[in-house]
Amino acid sequence: EAGVTQFPSHSVIEKGQTVTLRCDPISGHDNLYWYRRVMGKEIKFLLHFVKESKQDESGMPNNRFLAERTGGTYSTLKVQPAELEDSGVYFCASSQDLFRRGSPLHFGNGTRLTVT
Amino acid sequence: QKEVEQDPGPLSVPEGAIVSLNCTYSNSAFQYFMWYRQYSRKGPELLMYTYSSGNKEDGRFTAQVDKSSKYISLFIRDSQPSDSATYLCAMSRDTGRRALTFGSGTRLQVQP
Repeated sequence: EAGVTQFPSHSVIEKGQTVTLRCDPISGHDNLYWYRRVMGKEIKFLLHFVKESKQDESGMPNNRFLAERTGGTYSTLKVQPAELEDSGVYFCASSQDLFRRGSPLHFGNGTRLTVT
Repeated sequence: QKEVEQDPGPLSVPEGAIVSLNCTYSNSAFQYFMWYRQYSRKGPELLMYTYSSGNKEDGRFTAQVDKSSKYISLFIRDSQPSDSATYLCAMSRDTGRRALTFGSGTRLQVQP
């Protein structure tokens, strides 16, 4: 079974530019999550999709961040325009079952974003 | 004040030692508790998942939850160099939401 795949693994952009991160969840996983870890801080929740619907986007920092999951398969997270404080590692995770206890989150290896 | 506090370490122990990793939390709404292991440049990997207070054992790993003290622990017995990684505690509320609140992680180094 292929794991959660994220692309690119690393992105370096200038302040003001746009970057799009992609996540391919494990096949059949309806739940998809975005998290990020900025330098020196803990991993923080951004948002949660159930299929193509946004279930919870309470962690999105501001309107420069736009997440989509068209067709309920892969997801993209766009940052436009990027700011220096957006630098960090962006993780995607997926899970099969939302409510059943013990259904784990499977994390991808993250996209390391550097804004210069 | 952070909702979840975790000593960042680094923690260095000799091979074979018993390792104790801990987190405290302030929000009594947390009901589900997890420990993740993260190797360098990789994503977090779930090690242990607990719901109730008490102990849960899986091989060399034991997770302990004390809800009355808002304190969770992970014990690693017979530690191996391959256990060298960052260990993250995480927790979530009992609302069906799966948004996790993470600790900052403890970096562990097991010396051969």
